[in-house]
Amino acid sequence: QITLKESGPTLVKPTQTLTLTCTFSGFSLTTSEVGVGWIRQPPGKAPEWLALIYWDADKRYSPSLKSRLTITKDTSKNQVVLTMTNMDPVDTATYYCAHSINSGSYTYYFESWGQGTLVTVSS
Amino acid sequence: QSVLTQPPSVSGAPGQRVTISCTGSSSNIGAGFDVHWYQQLPGTAPKLLIFGTTNRPAGVPDRFSGSKYGTSASLVITGLQAEDEADYYCQSYDSGLTDFHVFGPGTKVTVL
Repeated sequence: QITLKESGPTLVKPTQTLTLTCTFSGFSLTTSEVGVGWIRQPPGKAPEWLALIYWDADKRYSPSLKSRLTITKDTSKNQVVLTMTNMDPVDTATYYCAHSINSGSYTYYFESWGQGTLVTVSS
Repeated sequence: QSVLTQPPSVSGAPGQRVTISCTGSSSNIGAGFDVHWYQQLPGTAPKLLIFGTTNRPAGVPDRFSGSKYGTSASLVITGLQAEDEADYYCQSYDSGLTDFHVFGPGTKVTVL
């Protein structure tokens, strides 16, 4: 059974850096064609993909947020960490991590999701 | 503003068939990239419903089906049930200047 759980602060101040940790079980991030992605969802809005780290340590970021994001993995701990700098109130959202699988070519889908963590950006 | 478009809402009576469209362009769906669909019940994380355009994960009822034609994809729910009332999102890959992995804006399905 695959499980993922996000952890990190629920409240950050504007300009601060957000660090979120995804702790997972039931799969290995060294398995071919597997990844862990981060997706956020502002209240009442659609999900927005942020970043994805692949089994081979390759990384991809949303072009619109690339300058603010860093994704890393610790395979020994089964963890993936996302940092987002210069937080703003518009970044208030539920942040999810998800187990990702390659369906072919560049298309990864998000097969299992964590429960999500609501991050509020406010002074 | 997503590169994928979906109708904001669709509705149907129990037992009816409803179709949710996901329209893209030549840099995503039209380029041959797979489309995936997610169902989100209130207060919960999205759940994978269809992957690889037409495939259902284990446990997803066969009343959910997916297809693709040209620059558009569709999710069809046949035999609509009360528990299908939720938000539905399509997702694909975009090779243009936008986000690589893109979600549609979502469609609210209401069971009348």
